[in-house]
Amino acid sequence: KNEVEQSPQNLTAQEGEFITINCSYSVGISALHWLQQHPGGGIVSLFMLSSGKKKHGRLIATINIQEKHSSLHITASHPRDSAVYICAVRSIGSGGGADGLTFGKGTHLIIQP
Amino acid sequence: GAGVSQSPSNKVTEKGKDVELRCDPISGHTALYWYRQSLGQGLEFLIYFQGNSAPDKSGLPSDRFSAERTGGSVSTLTIQRTQQEDSAVYLCASSLVGGAYGELFFGEGSRLTVL
Repeated sequence: KNEVEQSPQNLTAQEGEFITINCSYSVGISALHWLQQHPGGGIVSLFMLSSGKKKHGRLIATINIQEKHSSLHITASHPRDSAVYICAVRSIGSGGGADGLTFGKGTHLIIQP
Repeated sequence: GAGVSQSPSNKVTEKGKDVELRCDPISGHTALYWYRQSLGQGLEFLIYFQGNSAPDKSGLPSDRFSAERTGGSVSTLTIQRTQQEDSAVYLCASSLVGGAYGELFFGEGSRLTVL
């Protein structure tokens, strides 16, 4: 089973700061997801990537397959970015079944004005 | 609808009662997932439906839990004889395609409290 570790578990920063959230996993993967969960529970898919880098607005996700590591960056952070950010990976050879998707415990981000 | 819809959004029940949670996925999405999120914990996989294939039930924690998906669309998760440890947010997600590269779209979740 793939182990997914996120760091930091909690992060408080000031508005405007550059934010980095890290995700490490233990076995080969076919895809990695970054998800955002706001208070109240709704989850939004931010990125799905299997190599390289993706950018959407102020959010950037990178992945290094060799190092089994991904980062989520937020530029010019804003209080509305406050949420839990969750990394999820799908292990190679899982057949795409749902039990091949492993979630990290999430990073709780608070951006103070 | 435009997104994944779940109902009820909140459910409070007494220990021992049965509950049904409903998920209406995005139209045309072939894959549907149920997850559970207990307080302070990560998402826990429960069950996965993909098209007409037999569902992957490997995550269901006990035989009190069951789910069905009718007509390849709406899904119902049923918990029989609820216990306090069943209290959690139950999340449904759908994907246009199953497998490794399907992007997940989540509902808002159903918060279950068992007294």
